[in-house]
Order: sequence, then C-alpha cells, then structure tokens
Amino acid sequence: QKEVEQDPGPLSVPEGAIVSLNCTYSNSAFQYFMWYRQYSRKGPELLMYTYSSGNKEDGRFTAQVDKSSKYISLFIRDSQPSDSATYLCAIGDDMRFGAGTRLTVKP
Amino acid sequence: DGGITQSPKYLFRKEGQNVTLSCEQNLNHDAMYWYRQDPGQGLRLIYYSQIVNDFQKGDIAEGYSVSREKKESFPLTVTSAQKNPTAFYLCASSMQANYEQYFGPGTRLTVT
Repeated sequence: QKEVEQDPGPLSVPEGAIVSLNCTYSNSAFQYFMWYRQYSRKGPELLMYTYSSGNKEDGRFTAQVDKSSKYISLFIRDSQPSDSATYLCAIGDDMRFGAGTRLTVKP
Repeated sequence: DGGITQSPKYLFRKEGQNVTLSCEQNLNHDAMYWYRQDPGQGLRLIYYSQIVNDFQKGDIAEGYSVSREKKESFPLTVTSAQKNPTAFYLCASSMQANYEQYFGPGTRLTVT
C-alpha cells in the first residue's frame, strides 16, 4: 500500500463551484500535512500547512485533517479559472507526496 | 527578496555524462531536499539534508549524489549510473524537518 494515495483526476468543474480534493495515508502517527498547487512546468507552491487534526482556513481554501480516518481534504470555495492546476498533498513527517490531482475550472 | 533558486531551468546532456544541478536558498533554512517528478507521478525524494555537512538518502538515491558544504547550497549531481535521468528536478527547503517546505522553480533535465 502506498504511503499517500491521491486520485489523479482529472477533475473539471464550472467556475464558482466548490472543489473537494482528497488524500488518504497509511500511517496514523503522521501529524504534519501540506497542500501544494503546481502550475504546469513550475515548482509547487505551498497553499496550506496543518498540524494534527482539525480544520484550517485561508481565504477560499480550507484544509481538513481527519486522523481517525487517515484522510485529508482541501476545499476550494468559489473556484476560479486561475485555480486550474495540479494539487498535491504531502505528509511532512516522511516527505511523501501524493501523485497530484489535476483540476480545471471552466469559465 | 527571499527564496529558492535553481539553475539552469533547462539542461540537456548526452548519456554517460555527469551533470550537477544547482540549488540555493536565502531563507536561512536548515533543511533542504531534492525531489524528482515524472509525468503522472508524485514527487519522489532523492536526498535530504537537515544540517550542514550531513545528508540522508531518500527513496530513489541510486545514481545521484549531493553535498551540503554551506547552509544555503545543496547541489545535486546526476551521475551516469542513473538509468533514467530525464525528469523534472525540484529542490525545496524548510526551517526544520517536518516544517512546511518551499520549492524552487525546478530544472528540467533531458538526457539523450
């Protein structure tokens, strides 16, 4: 079983939709979780960093960690065409990344 | 203006040649990392360093070497022993291990 599983998509939504991106992980001891946005041919850009369980909100982005289910989520409200990118989840404890979900927001 | 720089952006080499990718950071971060990204795959850790003059192998270290002689620099050498070197290489740094990582713009290496 992979340490971090992420549905690669692609995911296509209309502008203004709420987007839900998810990852599962295998080790319940993990505590440090990150979400990155990566535009084509660019380095990943840190969006959210969370420690342990709970929610963290930053503008239109909300990161959620459910340690009991070993499940992390990123929600994007009022999605915009500029949100079109690949989104990567990461486990900070052992520097492992999901494969990334490619998102397209259509105007 | 703080950040991480990688050079060059594109690199072309002939098979059998060693090549060194540069990574510099002025964020005063202790930890630095090298990842490789292939199409359809997530980032895979090659090497990481938590402190100057010390580094550890990641999941795919074979065919690569690194050095960490200065806090701000963590160059990666892709040796001729690396079987499939063509990839997008990303360098990152963090204040300490487990903290959020910040990435450079990447170097796309093509070996023919």
